[in-house]
Amino acid sequence: GDSVTQMEGPVTLSEEACLTINCTYTATGYPSLFWYVQYPGEGLQLLLKATKADDKGSNKGFEATYRKETTSFHLEKGSVQVSDSAVYFCALSHQAGTALIFGKGTTLSVSS
Amino acid sequence: SQTIHQWPATLVQPVGSPLSLECTVEGTSNPNLYWYRQAAGRGLQLLFYSVGIGQISSEVPQNLSASRPQDRQFILSSKKLLLSDSGFYLCAWSPRGAGTGVPYEQYFGPGTRLTVT
Repeated sequence: GDSVTQMEGPVTLSEEACLTINCTYTATGYPSLFWYVQYPGEGLQLLLKATKADDKGSNKGFEATYRKETTSFHLEKGSVQVSDSAVYFCALSHQAGTALIFGKGTTLSVSS
Repeated sequence: SQTIHQWPATLVQPVGSPLSLECTVEGTSNPNLYWYRQAAGRGLQLLFYSVGIGQISSEVPQNLSASRPQDRQFILSSKKLLLSDSGFYLCAWSPRGAGTGVPYEQYFGPGTRLTVT
């Protein structure tokens, strides 16, 4: 079945450092790919998405590129802020109305 | 704009007691609705989803049940809670449609933290 694998956390960075959170997936066909962010005690917020190969999703300085050849969707940010501290989830979906398949999440902690 | 509400925000219940969590969506019609559970240190597990009133699909056999009495209302219930039911319960919605162009992403509510003691 489909699956998503994320790098294990926690990831601890200093403010203004570069961030990469690795995400790879196993799926048939061409799923849509997503990054969600969860701040402490809150629900999940959609951060960015990509619906086809070579698409780049971007939002709030974060970006990720849908790489079909490596089945990857790594999340990157050039300069993190303390406010970026949260749990980040990579997910995929094959069609509307079906479950999102999530990775286990990666905790990011940014210190000033 | 669309908003999704969940209540209560937190709940502490003894083992064997009943459960009712409610989720409502505003600003859209005919949404697909979902219940997920997030256990500590683990990812999100889909429990139920619904594509219409009275239409419920269960993904994981357990002592929980779901109902959709109205188009934008989704309820998660249990007759007798177990310790293993503790977790963070998230409701989500997605637009319903057919064919190309229908977005696949889901939008999540604020969640309910359930502790079974």
